[in-house]
Amino acid sequence: AQRVTQPEKLLSVFKGAPVELKCNYSYSGSPELFWYVQYSRQRLQLLLRHISRESIKGFTADLNKGETSFHLKKPFAQEEDSAMYYCAPPLGTGANNLFFGTGTRLTVIP
Amino acid sequence: DADVTQTPRNRITKTGKRIMLECSQTKGHDRMYWYRQDPGLGLRLIYYSFDVKDINKGEISDGYSVSRQAQAKFSLSLESAIPNQTALYFCATSDAGQGFETQYFGPGTRLLVL
Repeated sequence: AQRVTQPEKLLSVFKGAPVELKCNYSYSGSPELFWYVQYSRQRLQLLLRHISRESIKGFTADLNKGETSFHLKKPFAQEEDSAMYYCAPPLGTGANNLFFGTGTRLTVIP
Repeated sequence: DADVTQTPRNRITKTGKRIMLECSQTKGHDRMYWYRQDPGLGLRLIYYSFDVKDINKGEISDGYSVSRQAQAKFSLSLESAIPNQTALYFCATSDAGQGFETQYFGPGTRLLVL
């Protein structure tokens, strides 16, 4: 099964400080990955995906095949970035390959 | 605006009761999913359906059943609710037309089993 690991359940940073949310994957094949975000009292939504090579709300995520990582980064954290972040592998056609990471709760301290 | 909706949004029930959580979508997506979210455990897949005639167990299907009544509707049932099924439940959809599709989530149903 395709799996992702988010080693940090909680992460706190001060406003204006850089933030990095870690995600490691453990499967072969094309490692296209996603980051989803859940703000307080809102539904889970896509933040960004590797295949798009995009920057959303100042966040970027670089795929490092050597380290099998897809860490989410932002140079200057904002209070509105406080949320739950999930790393996710791509959806496929086989069974049991739809696992999300356990999530990291980011708190940005004013 | 195309959306994913869930009913009810909140539910309190007693141990042993049968309850049903419903999910509807107007996105026209073939694929639908049920997840539960627990603090510290993240998001775990319960069941998924890639089309109306397809139902598959996820990581934690024990104690749950589903019904895909139509392309737009996917219901989750707890036949005999127990307290450790207290959680936040999310429905999601995705479009099978893309190679690496995005999932679209409903607002969630908060379930408390007493």
